[in-house]
Amino acid sequence: GIQVEQSPPDLILQEGANSTLRCNFSDSVNNLQWFHQNPWGQLINLFYIPSGTKQNGRLSATTVATERYSLLYISSSQTTDSGVYFCAVDHRGSTLGRLYFGRGTQLTVWP
Amino acid sequence: GAVVSQHPSRVICKSGTSVKIECRSLDFQATTMFWYRQFPKQSLMLMATSNEGSKATYEQGVEKDKFLINHASLTLSTLTVTSAHPEDSSFYICSANGGLGGNTIYFGEGSWLTVV
Repeated sequence: GIQVEQSPPDLILQEGANSTLRCNFSDSVNNLQWFHQNPWGQLINLFYIPSGTKQNGRLSATTVATERYSLLYISSSQTTDSGVYFCAVDHRGSTLGRLYFGRGTQLTVWP
Repeated sequence: GAVVSQHPSRVICKSGTSVKIECRSLDFQATTMFWYRQFPKQSLMLMATSNEGSKATYEQGVEKDKFLINHASLTLSTLTVTSAHPEDSSFYICSANGGLGGNTIYFGEGSWLTVV
């Protein structure tokens, strides 16, 4: 199957700092999504971004499909941004929606 | 927007018993749903693809007789953990395509299973 690698595995920031999370994937994809998992386990969709750049408030994401990576930017981080950020991809040729997840980045934002 | 709901959110069962988890698409029809499992501080691992009106497709290494999946309608898939053991304790979460021709995948709230 497709390999999805995220870095860094852990990130500790002070409130107000900016950060960049990276996701590398080993093959062509139909779909790439970024999720935030809160402490209760719920997965929140952040971006559906198989290619290009999108922005939503303090968050933005860029996927360069030809180079098989995606970046998630968090600006002016807040304590509520803490949690695990997952990148997940839908392997081209596979069933739509069948996602492969990276190991995640555990983000901790201190006040 | 598309909403996927799971029930129960938490369940405790005794070893040897079976427990059923439901996954519902609330405002759209889902011919395909997916079941994942997540151990503490680990990633989500796809267990199986649930197909409405046909048999589920299981990932390699997942016991189909232990994790029974039924997708009897376009809005409901169920996962039954049979003869549960403590090592089955985990976070189980389902997902579905959001419909309307879109590709965004939506996840349920997840179900914490503890087997004692």
